[in-house]
Amino acid sequence: RKEVEQDPGPFNVPEGATVAFNCTYSNSASQSFFWYRQDCRKEPKLLMSVYSSGNEDGRFTAQLNRASQYISLLIRDSKLSDSATYLCVVTPYGSGNTGKLIFGQGTTLQVKP
Amino acid sequence: NAGVTQTPKFQVLKTGQSMTLQCAQDMNHEYMSWYRQDPGMGLRLIHYSVGAGITDQGEVPNGYNVSRSTTEDFPLRLLSAAPSQTSVYFCASRARAGGNQPQHFGDGTRLSIL
Repeated sequence: RKEVEQDPGPFNVPEGATVAFNCTYSNSASQSFFWYRQDCRKEPKLLMSVYSSGNEDGRFTAQLNRASQYISLLIRDSKLSDSATYLCVVTPYGSGNTGKLIFGQGTTLQVKP
Repeated sequence: NAGVTQTPKFQVLKTGQSMTLQCAQDMNHEYMSWYRQDPGMGLRLIHYSVGAGITDQGEVPNGYNVSRSTTEDFPLRLLSAAPSQTSVYFCASRARAGGNQPQHFGDGTRLSIL
């Protein structure tokens, strides 16, 4: 089983739709959680960190469910520019001195006009 | 406002050749790392460094060497290139290893081994 698993998609949605992605992680003691965005043939960029209480940044909402070991990303009012691959990233327990990040394989979103 | 700079952006090698992928950051970050990204595999950690003079292996270190003689530079060396090393390579840096600091990536190096 992969340490971080995502549905690769693609998710095809019309503009204005609300779409949600889930990501599951296998290490129950994982410490930090992030969503990164990667455009085609570009480098990944941090979208948002994910906190236990949930957090929102404009049209984007991230939530963490430690009991079920998953994190989610909700995008409201999808824009064409949201088309990208979204990477779920987890910091394993005990990796504080290594900075190790575990990346999921990514979920591809395509927003259609 | 350079951030993380990788060179070259593209490279084609023949099997058995050696080369060095360069990575430099100007943010005085302690932590630097190299990843490779292959279709369906996500990013996998090759080597990392928590500071000048300190390096360690990641998930897929075989066939690669690194060194960290300065805070700014973290080159990745392919000792004897193999077709299995065809991939996109990303260098990244963070202020320090722990915590919630964002990881900054370079633009990537697209490497093909024939």
